[in-house]
Formats: sequence, structure tokens, C-alpha cells
Amino acid sequence: GDSVTQMEGPVTLSEEAFLTINCTYTATGYPSLFWYVQYPGEGLQLLLKATKADDKGSNKGFEATYRKETTSFHLEKGSVQVSDSAVYFCALSSNSGGSNYKLTFGKGTLLTVNP
Amino acid sequence: DAGVIQSPRHEVTEMGQEVTLRCKPISGHNSLFWYRQTMMRGLELLIYFNNNVPIDDSGMPEDRFSAKMPNASFSTLKIQPSEPRDSAVYFCASSVELGSYGYTFGSGTRLTVV
Repeated sequence: GDSVTQMEGPVTLSEEAFLTINCTYTATGYPSLFWYVQYPGEGLQLLLKATKADDKGSNKGFEATYRKETTSFHLEKGSVQVSDSAVYFCALSSNSGGSNYKLTFGKGTLLTVNP
Repeated sequence: DAGVIQSPRHEVTEMGQEVTLRCKPISGHNSLFWYRQTMMRGLELLIYFNNNVPIDDSGMPEDRFSAKMPNASFSTLKIQPSEPRDSAVYFCASSVELGSYGYTFGSGTRLTVV
């Protein structure tokens, strides 16, 4: 079945540091890939997405590139801010087997950015 | 659009009581999802609906849990009787039919069963 593996946290960085959160996936078919962010006490928000190989999703300074050859979708940001402190979830949506309505999530990575 | 609306935001109840969580999806979205989030188990998909019809309820933990979607603008998740291990944050999400658009999540209901 479909699965998403993302690096375990927590990740603690200083402000302006470079961020990478690794995400790899296993899926039948040709999935769409997503990063969601959850701020404390809130629901998940879509951060960025990519729907085909070599697509780059970007938003708020975050980027992720859909790499089919390595089945990866790593999240990066060049300079993090304290306000980026949150839990980040990698997810995929596969259109195989009639299950294209369902997102499969990774376990989440807690990011803490210190001033 | 007000987004996905869940109520209540917080619920504290005694073990054995019935609990009903409510969700209003975004207008025009025809898929609706119920998730549970805990520290130990992360995000778990409980059930999802497409065009008001339950498609997959394999994530519903046991018969004490039930979900309905009587129309396109309303869904409920009911726990009867509730137990302390049901304490979690329950999220509702909705999406247009094609999975590539992703989901919009509500703010969640934090349930505490004492």
C-alpha cells in the first residue's frame, strides 16, 4: 500500500538557518505530493504541492521538488524564522485502485526555531 | 468562504457519555474526511465520504464510533459510550473530488474524556 516516511524530529534550528525535512514515499500509480503545516492549536494547512515529476512546489519561502527517480519530496527553506515553528507533514494522494480521494500522511516533524 | 467549520472546539465529558462532533465542509467540496490525532498514533483516518456516501470506514476504531453525512453541508461523528482512550483532537477535512487538490482542514475538536 501507499506510505510516506519523513525524518523524525524534533528539529531545532536557530533563526536564519537552512532547513531540510526529508520525505520519501511508496505508492502504486502516479501520486500527487503535498506538504502540510500545523501550527500549535490549529488544523493542518496546505503549504505546497506538486502533481508530476520534476514539479517544484513553493510557498512562503518553502520549496519541494517531486523526484520520481528517488521517490522523494524533501522540504527546504533557505532561512527559517521563529514563526516557522510548527509540525510539518508530508503526504501523498495516489490515483490507483480507486483510492484517489484519500491522502496518506507521514508522522509529522516538529520544527522549533529559536531566536 | 469560511473554510471547514467544526464544533465544538473543546469538549470535556465523562466516561460513558455520548459525544457528537460536527462538521460543515466547504461549499462545493464533495469529499469529507474525519481524522483523529494523538501524540502516540499521529494522524489516523477514521472514515471518508464522497457525495455524502461513506466510502471507507476501515479506520473507525470500534462500534462505539459512528459517522453520518445526511447532506452535502453537514456531517457528524458520534462516540457512544465514550472512554478515556478516545481523548484526542478530531479533525474534519473536505476536498473537491480529485485527490490532486489536497484537503482543507477544520480547526479540530479537542475531546477530553474523564
